[in-house]
Amino acid sequence: QKEVEQDPGPLSVPEGAIVSLNCTYSNSAFQYFMWYRQYSRKGPELLMYTYSSGNKEDGRFTAQVDKSSKYISLFIRDSQPSDSATYLCAMMASSASKIIFGSGTRLSIRP
Amino acid sequence: NAGVTQTPKFQVLKTGQSMTLQCAQDMNHEYMSWYRQDPGMGLRLIHYSVGAGITDQGEVPNGYNVSRSTTEDFPLRLLSAAPSQTSVYFCASSYGGADRAYEQYFGPGTRLTVT
Repeated sequence: QKEVEQDPGPLSVPEGAIVSLNCTYSNSAFQYFMWYRQYSRKGPELLMYTYSSGNKEDGRFTAQVDKSSKYISLFIRDSQPSDSATYLCAMMASSASKIIFGSGTRLSIRP
Repeated sequence: NAGVTQTPKFQVLKTGQSMTLQCAQDMNHEYMSWYRQDPGMGLRLIHYSVGAGITDQGEVPNGYNVSRSTTEDFPLRLLSAAPSQTSVYFCASSYGGADRAYEQYFGPGTRLTVT
C-alpha cells in the first residue's frame, strides 16, 4: 500500500465551480501537509502547506487536514481556467527529511 | 537568481549507457533532492541530501547514484540505463531543517528516454 493515495482524475468542472481535491495517507508520523500545483511541462510549485491539523485559507484556496481520519483536502472556490493544472498532495514527518508525494489529480476548468 | 537549473532538458540513451543529470541551485539551500515523474505515479523520491557530503536514499534509489561535494550542485548518475528509467526527472531544493524542507523549489526537469 502506498503511503499517500490520491485520485488521479482527470477532473473537469465548469468555470466558477467549487473544486474539492483529496488525499489519504497511512503514516501517522506525517506533520507537514502540502499542496503543489504543476502546469503542463513545468516543475511543481508550492501552493499551500499546513502544519499538523486544521484549516488554512489563502484567497480562493483552502487546505484542510483531518489527522484522525488521515485525510487532507484542497478546496478551490470560484475556479478559473487558469487553475487548470495537476495538483499534487505531499507530506513530510517532522523528524524526517523525505517528502512523499501523491500521484496527482489532473484538473481542467471549462470556460 | 537563476533558481534551480537542470541540464540537459532532453536526452536519449541506449540501454546500458551511463550518464549524469546535472542540477545546480544558487539560493544557498541546504536540502536538495531528485524525483522521477511517471504517468499515474506522481513524483517519487530517488535520493536526497541535507547538506554537502550527506546523501540518503529515497523511495526508488536502485540504478542511481548521487554525491554532494558542494552546496550548489547535486548530480544524479545513471549507472547502466534501462528502459524502465525512461521518465521525467526533477531536481528540487529547499532551506534545511524539517521545518523548512516542505517548501521545495523545482527545476524545469529533464526528459529522458532509454531505448
